[in-house]
This record gives sequence, C-alpha cells and structure tokens, in this order.
Amino acid sequence: DIQMTQSPSSLSASVGDRVTITCRASQGIRNDLGWYQQKPGKAPKRLIYAASSLQSGVPSRFSGSRSGTEFTLTISSLQPEDFATYYCLQHNSYPLTFGQGTRLEIK
Amino acid sequence: EVQLVESGGGLVQPGRSLRLSCAASGFTFDDYAMHWVRQAPGKGLEWVSGVTWNSGSIGYADSAKGRFTVSRDNAKNSLYLQMNSLRAEDTAFYYCAKDSCSSTTCGLDYWGQGTLVTVSS
Repeated sequence: DIQMTQSPSSLSASVGDRVTITCRASQGIRNDLGWYQQKPGKAPKRLIYAASSLQSGVPSRFSGSRSGTEFTLTISSLQPEDFATYYCLQHNSYPLTFGQGTRLEIK
Repeated sequence: EVQLVESGGGLVQPGRSLRLSCAASGFTFDDYAMHWVRQAPGKGLEWVSGVTWNSGSIGYADSAKGRFTVSRDNAKNSLYLQMNSLRAEDTAFYYCAKDSCSSTTCGLDYWGQGTLVTVSS
C-alpha cells in the first residue's frame, strides 16, 4: 500500500500569512494526488486535482505543486474562511490513501 | 448540480449488519466510478471502497475486505455498501463520493454529507 506522510499535523497562522502543507508518498504516484479542505461538520471539498490543477470555483490563492514524490499545497494569503483541516489523497492505486490531515488554526 | 445523499446509517450492535445507500443526481451516474470514505468522530479520512462505472473493478481497504461489499445499480442511480460483522471500530461517518473518471480512479470530486454509523451494544 502507498503511505502518504503529511506535515505538519497542525499549524497556527494569521490572516494574510502564506502557508504550505506537504505530503510525501512512499513510492511514485505520478501526479495522482488531490488536496481537500474540510470544515467542522461538513464533507470534504476538493481544492486541487492532478497535483497542481485548481478545482473550478476555488480561489486562486490555493495552489499545488509536485517535486518527485513530495507534494505541496500552498495558500498564498490566508483568509478567515481558510481555517480548516486539509488532507491529501493519492489515487494512483488501490487502496486509495489519505494523509493524516493538517489542522490550520488561527494564531 | 451534483447531489449525493447517503442513508441507512444508525445504531447497530457489534456483529450485526447494515446496508448504506447513496442516491445520486445531477450527473450521468453510469459515467463515473464511485467510492465510500469514512471518518471516525474526531479522526481523519479513510477510504473504504471504490467501484468503476460497470462494477468491472472493485477495491477495498484492508479494514473492509471480507466484511463489506460495495455495489451499484446504474438503473437506479444508486451506490450501496453492505457492511457485515460490524465492530466498534467501524463507528464513523460514511461518505459517498463521485470519481472524476469512469473506468479508473482520477480522484474524488464531489461528496455527500455523510451518514453516521454507530456500532455499540
């Protein structure tokens, strides 16, 4: 099974900050990775697909990138509505696997 | 508008069975693979199972193998998860999710709001 190691597990930041969240895959997964945002009591929402493509309707302050087996989600300027938990998901092969999640909190 | 509505959750005793359903609308159901994902209260996301558009390829998490069975009825625009021999650790919100592709997996682009399964005596 492919393991996804996500870091950090939690992060405190302020409105306007630039933040990055990283997922490392245990083996090559090409660009078969998405990033999801989840707010309390809500279903996850996809932000990024194919490692770096922005989902329709998602603000352009969100971006994704890949370097080998390391994937990064960047929020260029945090907005109040961005405080949530973020997950990566690899869909290269079954079983699909999520990162452990990053809880983004207001400093 | 894509809508996925899960049902069938509830309180069930350990060792018993439960069948979850997901009613899909707003897209051509038999054009896409579908998945189940669960989340224990206060915990992270765990993929449970996935099925391609024609049920030609099905996958399960190790935690589901041998106990859970995914199926779909394209004529009814519905996805199902039959869960047998339930354990306390199966307690979670269960989400139905749509894939971006039909015969392979391209990621989960739309999710339902989830149904809660509680396994307890």
